[in-house]
Amino acid sequence: QVQLQQWGAGLLKPSETLSLTCAVSGDSFSGYYWSWIRQPPGKGLEWIGVVKHGGYINYSPSLKSRVTMPLDTSKKQFSLNLNSVTAADTAVYYCARGTVNDIFPFEVWGQGTLVIVSS
Amino acid sequence: QSVLTQPPSVSGAPGQRVTISCSGSSSNIGTAYKVQWYQHLPGTAPKLLIYGNTNRPSGVPDRFSGSKSGTSASLAITGLQTEDEADYYCQTYDKSLSDVVFGGGTKLTVL
Repeated sequence: QVQLQQWGAGLLKPSETLSLTCAVSGDSFSGYYWSWIRQPPGKGLEWIGVVKHGGYINYSPSLKSRVTMPLDTSKKQFSLNLNSVTAADTAVYYCARGTVNDIFPFEVWGQGTLVIVSS
Repeated sequence: QSVLTQPPSVSGAPGQRVTISCSGSSSNIGTAYKVQWYQHLPGTAPKLLIYGNTNRPSGVPDRFSGSKSGTSASLAITGLQTEDEADYYCQTYDKSLSDVVFGGGTKLTVL
């Protein structure tokens, strides 16, 4: 049974860099697509981007200029770095697994991390 | 503002049937890209409910069903139960935006 465990700083100041990590246990890592998705308070879900072992990366156009998603296959972990954060980046952030063949459906999700950006 | 439009809320009594619509366009639902549905209870991670327009993952009751026609998709829930009270999101890919997109979400209240 695959599980995603995520962690990272929960309180940031404007202009800082948001950093979250997601660790995968119980299943293969290199064959799947791995995404980050967020939900601002009172709003819907927003896809941030996806990575896969072998060099595939795709970011949402709306966040592309501020996002990187490094992958550590040896540790079965992937991360989210979002720079120059503002209050608009306050959200619950989720890591999620796609399939072997495609970015979605998002079959497995992490527990979520609330990140608050406030001065 | 999402490119996939869902009603903000729907409601039904226990045992009844409800449907949640997801309206898109020729650049998302109207393409070959499949539609997914997720159930999201507050404080928990979203759960995949329907994938590939109509398919249920193992463990999802057959009370939940999905359909797609033209530029719209729907999620139907029959035999409503109190534990179905949650937010529901549709999701697909938009080729014009080159982006994975979600609907705005629909809050289901079981009266």
